Amino acid sequence: EVQLVESGGGLIQPGGSLRLSCAASGFTFSSYSMHWFRQAPGKGPEWVSYISASGTAMHYADSVKGRFTTSRDNAKNSLYLHMNSLTDEDTAMYYCAAGGAFEDRPPWGQGTLVTVFS
Amino acid sequence: EVVMTQSPATLSVSLGERATLSCRASQSISSNLAWYQQKPGQAPRLLIYGASTRATGIPARFSGSGFVTDFTLTISSLQSEDSAVYYCQQYSNWPPLTFGGGTKVEIK
Repeated sequence: EVQLVESGGGLIQPGGSLRLSCAASGFTFSSYSMHWFRQAPGKGPEWVSYISASGTAMHYADSVKGRFTTSRDNAKNSLYLHMNSLTDEDTAMYYCAAGGAFEDRPPWGQGTLVTVFS
Repeated sequence: EVVMTQSPATLSVSLGERATLSCRASQSISSNLAWYQQKPGQAPRLLIYGASTRATGIPARFSGSGFVTDFTLTISSLQSEDSAVYYCQQYSNWPPLTFGGGTKVEIK
């Protein structure tokens, strides 16, 4: 089955760090660029980061630049989001999604919830 | 950054009637627009890309149109399962990828 499964979310205090993971299966992960998106409660989706298929190119939203780092391990079919200096504004459901040609993209994962609380 | 504006915020439509959702870009994005459907507790689901191409498995009652800055998603005959929030997203000028604020479609 073609799927993306996120994990690693949880409750974290402001200033803390967290690493999210996204496990891919059912498709050739190493052929796809990948994105992280997030969605705060009651809000629309927000793009967070991009990583190329080879892992050599990354882009970040201004809101997370310098605090978040995205990486991947194609041998493990896995995508990661390392989040540092978390604030209340980072509270959201985090989704991984494939990039590239729309015709071939697997559906978004179901998300992992990150809650930053003081 | 390309700002995407959706209207209306909420749309109430009777079963079997047509629903028309609008999305406007702050600058030209050619046909680089996607539409997503999101139901409560679920991830966004791709409906349309390239402004008018239906994604795999999407029913024919969903259609997209538009070019440059003005786009429309039409549901030709609303079904109960179409009650959801719909988002447009541009992928022409990025980073960042940007979404509209969403239109909630409810059954009248």
